[in-house]
Amino acid sequence: GAGVSQSPSNKVTEKGKDVELRCDPISGHTALYWYRQSLGQGLEFLIYFQGNSAPDKSGLPSDRFSAERTGGSVSTLTIQRTQQEDSAVYLCASSSAGEKYYGYTFGSGTRLTVV
Amino acid sequence: DAKTTQPNSMESNEEEPVHLPCNHSTISGTDYIHWYRQLPSQGPEYVIHGLTSNVNNRMASLAIAEDRKSSTLILHRATLRDAAVYYCILRGFYGGSQGNLIFGKGTKLSVKP
Repeated sequence: GAGVSQSPSNKVTEKGKDVELRCDPISGHTALYWYRQSLGQGLEFLIYFQGNSAPDKSGLPSDRFSAERTGGSVSTLTIQRTQQEDSAVYLCASSSAGEKYYGYTFGSGTRLTVV
Repeated sequence: DAKTTQPNSMESNEEEPVHLPCNHSTISGTDYIHWYRQLPSQGPEYVIHGLTSNVNNRMASLAIAEDRKSSTLILHRATLRDAAVYYCILRGFYGGSQGNLIFGKGTKLSVKP
C-alpha cells in the first residue's frame, strides 16, 4: 500500500485481557518500529526490527509486551494481561535503510483503552 | 544518543517565515540531524534530515551550524496547517546507535492567522 497501515484504529479492552495490534509497513521497507504515546505525552520507543537481525527490544516496558515480525513484513504487537496504564496510542513506523533512507513513515496508530 | 534542546513553544504569523532552533552541543561525527513534526491527533511526519550541509526540500530547509552544535529548521511561509509539535532528533546512521529515533518534548508551534 501507499502508507503504513495499522489495525484496529481503536480498541477498548477489559483489564486483564490480551490484545494484538497489527502493523502493515510500506512494501520494501526493511525497518519497522513500534512506539506508544500516552495522552499529552511524548513518543516512547518500544521495539525495532531491521531485516533479519534480532529485534531491539530495549524499550519494551515489561514482559507483558512482545512483538513479532513475520516474513520481514507484517508485525504484531501483543500486550498480555492489559493494565490501565497501557492505555495509549500505539504507533508503528517503517523505513528503508542505508542510502535509501528517507525518514520514517508512521501509521495513524491504534488507540488502546483499557477499562 | 546525544541530547537536543528545543524551546517548548513558539508562535508565528501566517505567511511569515519561521525559524525553529535546536541545540545539540554533544553531537558526534556520525550523528545525522533529523526533524519530524506531529500535527494534532496524527502520527509524526518526517520533515528533513542532514549531516553537515544545509538541506532543502519541498517542506522546509535545514540550516546546520559550521560546528554542528546547533541547527535551525526553516519554514519559509507558515500556514495554519504547519501548527504542530516539531521534534529535532540526532541519530547515528551507521554503527551501534543505528536504529530507533528517541523523541524529546519538541517545540509546539502555533500559527496565528
